[in-house]
Amino acid sequence: DGGITQSPKYLFRKEGQNVTLSCEQNLNHDAMYWYRQDPGQGLRLIYYSQIVNDFQKGDIAEGYSVSREKKESFPLTVTSAQKNPTAFYLCASSVGTLSSYNEQFFGPGTRLTVL
Amino acid sequence: AQKITQTQPGMFVQEKEAVTLDCTYDTSDPSYGLFWYKQPSSGEMIFLIYQGSYDQQNATEGRYSLNFQKARKSANLVISASQLGDSAMYFCAMRDRGGNTPLVFGKGTRLSVIA
Repeated sequence: DGGITQSPKYLFRKEGQNVTLSCEQNLNHDAMYWYRQDPGQGLRLIYYSQIVNDFQKGDIAEGYSVSREKKESFPLTVTSAQKNPTAFYLCASSVGTLSSYNEQFFGPGTRLTVL
Repeated sequence: AQKITQTQPGMFVQEKEAVTLDCTYDTSDPSYGLFWYKQPSSGEMIFLIYQGSYDQQNATEGRYSLNFQKARKSANLVISASQLGDSAMYFCAMRDRGGNTPLVFGKGTRLSVIA
């Protein structure tokens, strides 16, 4: 079945550690996105990539890094510079089209907790 | 810049009744798309319905319909015949350019359906 997988589902990190969240899609989508969701809040954009080997910062990129070496994969690293990383992280992808109708498909999410 | 406003943090509705979730938006682009997503307690994001700015008719998908009032910049979601399984967070989102630009989300409305 086609879809987006994120791993792990739950992640615990000690302060000062870097951690990498995995996001893989087999939908053959060009674009991929990372969002952060805090309790009771909407989704805020961290990074996005419209094509392999290219990505752009979103609204809250500080303390995060990404890579896009393969079309299928868009891992997110939460660095020690991110002051408050405890949150729910959602990865999404969308197919390339010029239309504004371009649904974003979401993965199941990773819940990161800093101990 | 795009902005989505959802003014209802929480809503209650009796089972089998209809409910309207409010969404207003702001953009200077004449071409844009509006989306509604449902997020159950599991965290997954489920796409519900889409409305394009040039669409002449309000979008409908099963029990979901979108009350699109372009002049007022509102895109309210109407859920008819509410079911207990409709209890979830609902997010309004928009994209004001085509292609793979990211969606911008509102803060969401938590809907609780009462038996």
